[in-house]
Amino acid sequence: GAVVSQHPSWVICKSGTSVKIECRSLDFQATTMFWYRQFPKQSLMLMATSNEGSKATYEQGVEKDKFLINHASLTLSTLTVTSAHPEDSSFYICSAGRVTGELFFGEGSRLTVL
Amino acid sequence: SQQGEEDPQALSIQEGENATMNCSYKTSINNLQWYRQNSGRGLVHLILIRSNEREKHSGRLRVTLDTSKKSSSLLITASRAADTASYFCASLGAQKLVFGQGTRLTINP
Repeated sequence: GAVVSQHPSWVICKSGTSVKIECRSLDFQATTMFWYRQFPKQSLMLMATSNEGSKATYEQGVEKDKFLINHASLTLSTLTVTSAHPEDSSFYICSAGRVTGELFFGEGSRLTVL
Repeated sequence: SQQGEEDPQALSIQEGENATMNCSYKTSINNLQWYRQNSGRGLVHLILIRSNEREKHSGRLRVTLDTSKKSSSLLITASRAADTASYFCASLGAQKLVFGQGTRLTINP
């Protein structure tokens, strides 16, 4: 089956720094990528939808200047958490969509901001 | 809230019993999907049911969909300890996949 790779799988950073998370579709071209955030024991909340070559569409309440999304190619999308604070600590998961509509999820990236 | 509801929020049963989880969603959908998540891990896709389907089977899984009630159910038959996980429904509509709140299932040996 199709594989979506996320990197890093976990990261610890100091408050005020920026962290970049990569999401790659390894064996297919992803027309659309989605970024989700999941707090402990809660469900996945959609943060934004990114389409290759265009600006991401953010969900209500998600700060686009805080969570920068770049979808520079059909196989790579990045999420940068800028000036991270402890409340940004969470599990971030990406998913990549094929033109057929199938979605494949990465293994997630756990961010801890000290 | 973008999310639908799932019930129960937590379910604990004995190994061998059947587990049923329900999910409701809010908008029109193209399809509804069920996922499993082990603690701290990514999502595993279990089964997809299209909006024009009413029931679907895959191994020990049975999914139903009632678009008039905007609801779906997932039945896991003959549960095993390895089925312990969180289960989420996710509705695909308007090119977005929106997740329910999830059911934490515990299978006791």
